[in-house]
Order: sequence, then structure tokens, then C-alpha cells
Amino acid sequence: KQEVTQIPAALSVPEGENLVLNCSFTDSAIYNLQWFRQDPGKGLTSLLLIQSSQREQTSGRLNASLDKSSGRSTLYIAASQPGDSATYLCAVHDGSSNTGKLIFGQGTTLQVKP
Amino acid sequence: GAVVSQHPSRVICKSGTSVKIECRSLDFQATTMFWYRQFPKQSLMLMATSNEGSKATYEQGVEKDKFLINHASLTLSTLTVTSAHPEDSSFYICSASPITDTQYFGPGTRLTVL
Repeated sequence: KQEVTQIPAALSVPEGENLVLNCSFTDSAIYNLQWFRQDPGKGLTSLLLIQSSQREQTSGRLNASLDKSSGRSTLYIAASQPGDSATYLCAVHDGSSNTGKLIFGQGTTLQVKP
Repeated sequence: GAVVSQHPSRVICKSGTSVKIECRSLDFQATTMFWYRQFPKQSLMLMATSNEGSKATYEQGVEKDKFLINHASLTLSTLTVTSAHPEDSSFYICSASPITDTQYFGPGTRLTVL
């Protein structure tokens, strides 16, 4: 059974700092991995999607990497801003079925202090 | 593009009543829709997967008679929480998928059962 873990659960950094969020998964047979952002009481915003054949994806100040063999992904945020404060969720597309199921980690709640 | 709406955004109801939540894909046809619930400070847990015109597939531990899902068209799925109780209070989020490896998430519905 696929399990997704995110470390740390919470992170507080001063504005301008670069930071890394970690995601690990137990079964390397995945179709893809996705990083989402969730603001309090809101739905999910997709940030980056990495296909199983890819090693990284970049969008602006965000860079996500994928090491399928070790079951790890990282989300790198450069030059953090207070507006980046949110919960970041990692999800893997379950490779054991073709139903498109996503399995989520518990999330990392990020606070960027001005 | 790829906008998913949910209605209502918030609902408060008395214990024992039923509540219906709608999920609509506004600018695409969704062959599959997913329903998740999220407890405070926890991650999203998949409740069920529904395909248009067929019965929903429920995850283990989810009562199908309590959480009725109807996917009547390619743009609309509904979740009805029957005989709601305070423990059903949660944040319910739907997602819609035009193809199997992409999900677009709705903004969520906050259900409070008194």
C-alpha cells in the first residue's frame, strides 16, 4: 500500500530565505508526482507535476525534483516571500491502478515572516 | 481553463438531516470525478471515485449508504451526506479529471453539523 510522508510538518523562515520541502513515498511504481499549495480553508492549487520519467520541473521560483528509485521528491522554493505562506501537499498518482487515484502526504505548513 | 466549482462553499445543518454538495467542471468534460474529505490540519483522504453513468467506487472504510455519490453527467457529480452527524463535519473537496493522469480540484465545501 502506497504511503506518502512529508517532512517537516511545519516550517517557519524569514523572508528571502531559500527552502526545501521533502516528500517520500514507499512504492516507486508511480505514474507521476504532484505538488500542490493549499491556503487555509481553500481548495488545492497545482504547482508542479513531474512525470515518472522526469527528474525535475521548474516554474518561476519553484523547482521540484523526483528520484523515483529512492522514493523521494523535493520542492525547492527560492527567495521565499510572505505570500508563499501556505500548506504544501505532495501527492503521488498511484501506479498500481489506472483509476487516477492520488495519494496525499500530510503536508508541510510554511510560514514566511516579513 | 480547467475550472471546477463546488456548491455550496459552506453549509451548516442540524444532526439527522441530509446535505447535498455539487461539483461541476465548468469548461471541460470530466470522465472521472473524485471526492475527498479533509479534517483540520490533516491531509486529503480519498472517499470515492465516480465515473459518469456508473456506480461510484468507494475507498475502504467509507460507508456508501451514508455518502451517496451521483455522477449523472460529464460535468456534474453530487455528494449527499445522509443523516449527517457532528462527526461528519469536515472539509469536502472534489476533483475532476478529463484524462486519467490529471485532476483539477474544486474550492471545497465546509460542512458543519450541529
